[in-house]
Order: sequence, then structure tokens, then C-alpha cells
Amino acid sequence: GQQVMQIPQYQHVQEGEDFTTYCNSSTTLSNIQWYKQRPGGHPVFLIQLVKSGEVKKQKRLTFQFGEAKKNSSLHITATQTTDVGTYFCAAEPSNTGKLIFGQGTTLQVKP
Amino acid sequence: DAGITQSPRHKVTETGTPVTLRCHQTENHRYMYWYRQDPGHGLRLIHYSYGVKDTDKGEVSDGYSVSRSKTEDFLLTLESATSSQTSVYFCAIRLTGGNTEAFFGQGTRLTVV
Repeated sequence: GQQVMQIPQYQHVQEGEDFTTYCNSSTTLSNIQWYKQRPGGHPVFLIQLVKSGEVKKQKRLTFQFGEAKKNSSLHITATQTTDVGTYFCAAEPSNTGKLIFGQGTTLQVKP
Repeated sequence: DAGITQSPRHKVTETGTPVTLRCHQTENHRYMYWYRQDPGHGLRLIHYSYGVKDTDKGEVSDGYSVSRSKTEDFLLTLESATSSQTSVYFCAIRLTGGNTEAFFGQGTRLTVV
């Protein structure tokens, strides 16, 4: 089964509200990546986090990597309709070469 | 998009027939992946390759085989297609080194009837 669990599966927000998706692993991760997939499109890389406790920002998006490197979050401040899509976290277990994705969180934004 | 091309983009096939999907890259990346995407399941890894003739199974490999005889091509074969293999299939390549981001192809929508 998937080794990277992501919640929630779906989130509907009003435009301007904040949004957060969470990613959890039972094992320590060397790094974690986040991707966005627009409806009908393919996943596109957003960011990679490597260090324990790392926080990175991209405009209204804030990415965090937990201190134990077992969890991560993506927070969007003041959502816009352009944020609609599915957000995935991804990780490589134990340097196997595999790249495993979480189940994704689908964000709907009501204008 | 790191020069990734998937073919075909759409295919309808009958149950029991063999199907081969092709992923082609132009930049000699070592790692290549095949995923399937289904509602509620996200992206699930089928097989991946870490070099010519070097492949390994992913999470959902049953009913699928792969081959990589050249760096640029990674083929996914459904030996005898079943309706449960109706899905969207994505190929990806991954960079190596410091930033190991993955780039995805446009996807292949496969329908098994």
C-alpha cells in the first residue's frame, strides 16, 4: 500500500479562505516533494523540501517539512480560483529509486 | 516538459487484447516511471526503471510488464487488458542530483471495453 498518506481527499473553500493539505509517513523521509495537477492536466512540480523543520514560501503557498521528517504540509493563503486542482505530496522511500505519491487533495474554490 | 512524449494519447481496446504504451524522452534521464491515475487513488506507481534493462515493480504491477532497451524509451505492456485497467496512465522522468523533481508526460487515456 501507499507509504505516504495525504489528507483531506477533498476540500471546498470560498474564494479568499485559506487551505491546508497534510502529508504523513510512517518512516523518516530523505525529502518530500509537492506537485499540482490542474483539471485535465498532468502533475507539475512545485517544490522540494529536504531539511528537518524546513519552511519554504512561493507567493501565497507555504510548505513545511516536519522536525522528524515524517510529515509535511502545504498551506495556501487567501485562495483564488486559479488554485483549483489536485495537490500531491511525493517521497522516495529508503533511497529505492521509487517515487511514491500521496492520494492527493482536490481543491475546489467557489468564486 | 523535459522532452517527454507519450503515445498514444487515447486508446480504446477490447478485453483480452495486448496493449503497449510508449514513453519517449529526449534528454537521457536515467529514471523513468509509469503511473496510473484513478479517482480516489491518486497516482499509483506501476513500474519504474533506473537504467537500460534495469526495471523494478511498483505498488500495482500485477498485469503489467515493462521494457527499457534504450535510454529514451520506456514501454508499458498490458499483456491481456482487463476492464480494471481502464485508467489514465502517466509516464514521468526524474532528475538526479540535488533537485530530484519529476516531469510528467501528457498522459494516455486507456479504455478497456
